Amino acid sequence: EDQVTQSPEALRLQEGESSSLNCSYTVSGLRGLFWYRQDPGKGPEFLFTLYSAGEEKEKERLKATLTKKESFLHITAPKPEDSATYLCAVGGGSQGNLIFGKGTKLSVKP
Amino acid sequence: NAGVTQTPKFRVLKTGQSMTLLCAQDMNHEYMYWYRQDPGMGLRLIHYSVGEGTTAKGEVPDGYNVSRLKKQNFLLGLESAAPSQTSVYFCASSYSRTTSRRGEQYFGPGTRLTVT
Repeated sequence: EDQVTQSPEALRLQEGESSSLNCSYTVSGLRGLFWYRQDPGKGPEFLFTLYSAGEEKEKERLKATLTKKESFLHITAPKPEDSATYLCAVGGGSQGNLIFGKGTKLSVKP
Repeated sequence: NAGVTQTPKFRVLKTGQSMTLLCAQDMNHEYMYWYRQDPGMGLRLIHYSVGEGTTAKGEVPDGYNVSRLKKQNFLLGLESAAPSQTSVYFCASSYSRTTSRRGEQYFGPGTRLTVT
């Protein structure tokens, strides 16, 4: 069964305190791994796509990496505006439909 | 461009009532999706469409119907609402040229539905 597990469920950081979020997955026929950001009361916003092990993508203070079984979202020197829920998803099946994890809620305190 | 819009933003139904949620996108995307998001469950795919006039079942299709009469619109219907359908509903759309790019989805702001 295709599955995505994110950890931790919640993470509290001080401004400037770097950390990482984890996304482990099992899927038959990976068709990409995707990171999204979701602010309270809003729809998810696409961040990154990773296709193959060893690939890395960066955007401002965020860096996503991919191995054969998991992905990490590294947050360097976070700011309060980085507070959000970060969702990980994998594309699987013939149509590449997304299977989402439950998300990690990140809070960054000033 | 407005992106993906959803109507209504909030709705309260009584058990057994029916309603239709409307999703519209102006990005000329072929693929459109309906998800529900529940606390502790994550986003789950209800139905999706790979083009005008087509629909397909997702992970949790029971109790819902969909229609895609126009490329830019995707409708989600509840014929007889149940309390278990209390949720936040999100519509999304995506490119279709490659299977992997279909994961780059653009979401609407959501509809919060409560069934009493």
